[in-house]
Amino acid sequence: DVKVTQSSRYLVKRTGEKVFLECVQDMDHENMFWYRQDPGLGLRLIYFSYDVKMKEKGDIPEGYSVSREKKERFSLILESASTNQTSMYLCASSLLQGSYEQYFGPGTRLTVT
Amino acid sequence: DAKTTQPNSMESNEEEPVHLPCNHSTISGTDYIHWYRQLPSQGPEYVIHGLTSNVNNRMASLAIAEDRKSSTLILHRATLRDAAVYYCILLAYSGAGSYQLTFGKGTKLSVIP
Repeated sequence: DVKVTQSSRYLVKRTGEKVFLECVQDMDHENMFWYRQDPGLGLRLIYFSYDVKMKEKGDIPEGYSVSREKKERFSLILESASTNQTSMYLCASSLLQGSYEQYFGPGTRLTVT
Repeated sequence: DAKTTQPNSMESNEEEPVHLPCNHSTISGTDYIHWYRQLPSQGPEYVIHGLTSNVNNRMASLAIAEDRKSSTLILHRATLRDAAVYYCILLAYSGAGSYQLTFGKGTKLSVIP
């Protein structure tokens, strides 16, 4: 079965802390994505990567960075967490070619206090 | 970017067919129409996609208007497990072998027993 896992379901951090959200997929997918989901705003793309060490900005990259050192792992980094980054974070992966179907992880609910 | 418009919410009786509409009047010729759904407390799940012709799979059917400015996701017999937020999304090619999905606010489908 296709699987995308995220390191934590729930996370509480303080303002100013550096936060790492990890995502791992076991499907040998080239593409990986990070979204955040907020009530009334739907899902918004933060960053995506189509290859190891490659990254592209999505719609809302400010305040975030990413790292992709291995094909199966895509990390989202909040350099200095702020309260407006409290959100649900969703990771997804997909093949580079074909149906472009994205497989999502269960999400990480991050609260910044 | 091409955008989609969906009703905020819809209701259906259990075991009745459901037609979920989506307008995308600014769709470009190369945009694919994707549908995802998100069950409570889960990440989004791929449902179906198409380009010009109607499509069927085990989950649903997708009817695409001849001018491609609208589409309809059809659930043939709604069950309680189909209660979710349904997203109609246009797949935009971003160059460099990559692409991204832009999620709107979706339609919240309630299924009444």
